[in-house]
This record gives sequence, C-alpha cells and structure tokens, in this order.
Amino acid sequence: AQSVTQPDIHITVSEGASLELRCNYSYGATPYLFWYVQSPGQGLQLLLKYFSGDTLVQGIKGFEAEFKRSQSSFNLRKPSVHWSDAAEYFCAVIYGGATNKLIFGTGTLLAVQP
Amino acid sequence: GAGVSQSPSNKVTEKGKDVELRCDPISGHTALYWYRQRLGQGLEFLIYFQGNSAPDKSGLPSDRFSAERTGESVSTLTIQRTQQEDSAVYLCASSHIGTTNTEAFFGQGTRLTVV
Repeated sequence: AQSVTQPDIHITVSEGASLELRCNYSYGATPYLFWYVQSPGQGLQLLLKYFSGDTLVQGIKGFEAEFKRSQSSFNLRKPSVHWSDAAEYFCAVIYGGATNKLIFGTGTLLAVQP
Repeated sequence: GAGVSQSPSNKVTEKGKDVELRCDPISGHTALYWYRQRLGQGLEFLIYFQGNSAPDKSGLPSDRFSAERTGESVSTLTIQRTQQEDSAVYLCASSHIGTTNTEAFFGQGTRLTVV
C-alpha cells in the first residue's frame, strides 16, 4: 500500500546542533515529495518539495532535504537548529498514477533544548 | 481570496447532531483535500477532489462522513450523527496538480468538539 513512514515520533536536539528527520516512502515510482511544518497553534507550512532534477533541495528557514531513490528516502536536514524550529514536522507524498492524493506521515515532534 | 478559508473555526455540537464544515479553496486550484487531525496525531486523509474527476473517498472513516464540491470552488464536509470520536481538527487544503507549482495550501482548520 502507498504510505509514508516517519520512524521518529519525538526528537530532542540542543540549540545549534544539527538535525536530520527521517522519511521513507513505500512506492517504486518517483513521487512528488514534501516536508511541512506545523508550529504550535499554527497552520501547516511548506518547507520544501521535490519533483525531479537535483536530488538535494533547499527550502525555507535553512532546511534542506535529499531524495535518495535507492533508499526510498527523503530526509530533512538543518545544520544548526534554532529554538524557533521546535514544531511538528510532516513528510508527505503524492504518488501519482490513478490518484494524486497527498499522503502524510505520522509526524516527528521536534523539541529544542537551550 | 488569498488563502484557503475554512468555517466555522470552532464548532461544538451535541452527540448525534449533524455538522457541516465549509472550505473555500484558493481560486483556480483544481485539487482539494480534507484531512482529520486528532489531538497529538498526524493528518488522516479523508477525501480528495480533482477537477471533474470522481473524488477519491478512500479515507472516509464511515458512511456518516460525506463531502461535496461544486466545480472547482467551495467544498463542504458533512458528518451525520456525530460521535465523540469525531472530535478533531478538520483541515482543508487546495493545490494545483501535475506541475512544478504543485503545493498544498492549508486552511486554519475547523476544531470540532462533540459533547
């Protein structure tokens, strides 16, 4: 079945440390891939997206993600985390084909320690 | 409008009553999604509309849930005979599809509380 897996439910990092949030998708074809952020009391905001081309994509707020077909992964990274990055992060995918529905992972809650 | 608009922002209803939630997508967006987000949980896909194609209803949890969309404009999500487990934030999103502009824009959601 088409799905998106975020293995880490909750991650805590220190401010200034690097961050990597994992995302794996299940389907073989190249999907459209997204990362969204949901801050407390805020709506969902797109951080970045991948459709084709360069497998390393840059997003807003200093985030980047790398598409690795061999690993069916699209991990989100940031070299130095800020306290304001504390939020819930969702990976999402459109597999295409018969339906273009947007499927979300279960999310990773990021806490940032001073 | 400039963004996706959902109404009402909050709704408290008694168990067994019907509720109707409204979503106004971004003008020109052919795709429209509904999701449910329970407290502390992820986004659960409910239904997807794409242009004039038949909607993808594969995420609707029961026959108490239904949704309609008029052309490429307003959508309503109806929950009949509400139950306490229906309490959640219901999110709507709209998007272009099939181009590099594909990006789902989300509304602020409707917080539904069934008492």
